[in-house]
Amino acid sequence: GQQLNQSPQSMFIQEGEDVSMNCTSSSIFNTWLWYKQDPGEGPVLLIALYKAGELTSNGRLTAQFGITRKDSFLNISASIPSDVGIYFCAGQLPTGANSKLTFGKGITLSVRP
Amino acid sequence: DVKVTQSSRYLVKRTGEKVFLECVQDMDHENMFWYRQDPGLGLRLIYFSYDVKMKEKGDIPEGYSVSREKKERFSLILESASTNQTSMYLCASSLYGDTQYFGPGTRLTVL
Repeated sequence: GQQLNQSPQSMFIQEGEDVSMNCTSSSIFNTWLWYKQDPGEGPVLLIALYKAGELTSNGRLTAQFGITRKDSFLNISASIPSDVGIYFCAGQLPTGANSKLTFGKGITLSVRP
Repeated sequence: DVKVTQSSRYLVKRTGEKVFLECVQDMDHENMFWYRQDPGLGLRLIYFSYDVKMKEKGDIPEGYSVSREKKERFSLILESASTNQTSMYLCASSLYGDTQYFGPGTRLTVL
């Protein structure tokens, strides 16, 4: 089936640094979503993108829907310890209403104080 | 705010037991989903439902069934639990199938 590629699996940054994560695919997507999951919890929606080229911010987070519709990125600025967690991207293929989401496997972010 | 709740955060069951995982959403969403999450495998879709009494198989439906008698409630059933069904189970709901909102998860251990 379709896959979304997220790499590397883990990232280690210093508190205060900015970090950028990519999500890529060989297929075109209609919607891109970014989620964060804390240990033992369910994923929480961070940002939703619905149009190619769209750039959306949510506090220190910024995400963009790639122009080709095959990728998206998430930036976290001025990282803090509570940014630790797993960041997933997800996309919806343009196969009609109510189509399922495709998920990346996630990037585990560690923030050193 | 969308709220998706799951009946238990942690469950321990024995092999062969019948297990019910309940999920309730309060936003009148049409679509509900059940996933399992395992290390290295990411989120995998078990079943989903677009309407009351309607269900469709996801990518890994074997060993599971579902029930949606009311719009707000979607139940996942393990007819005879096995150790390879030890996992984190996540329920989600959405209005149009795109932006999904997740519950807190149920960590199921089958002994």
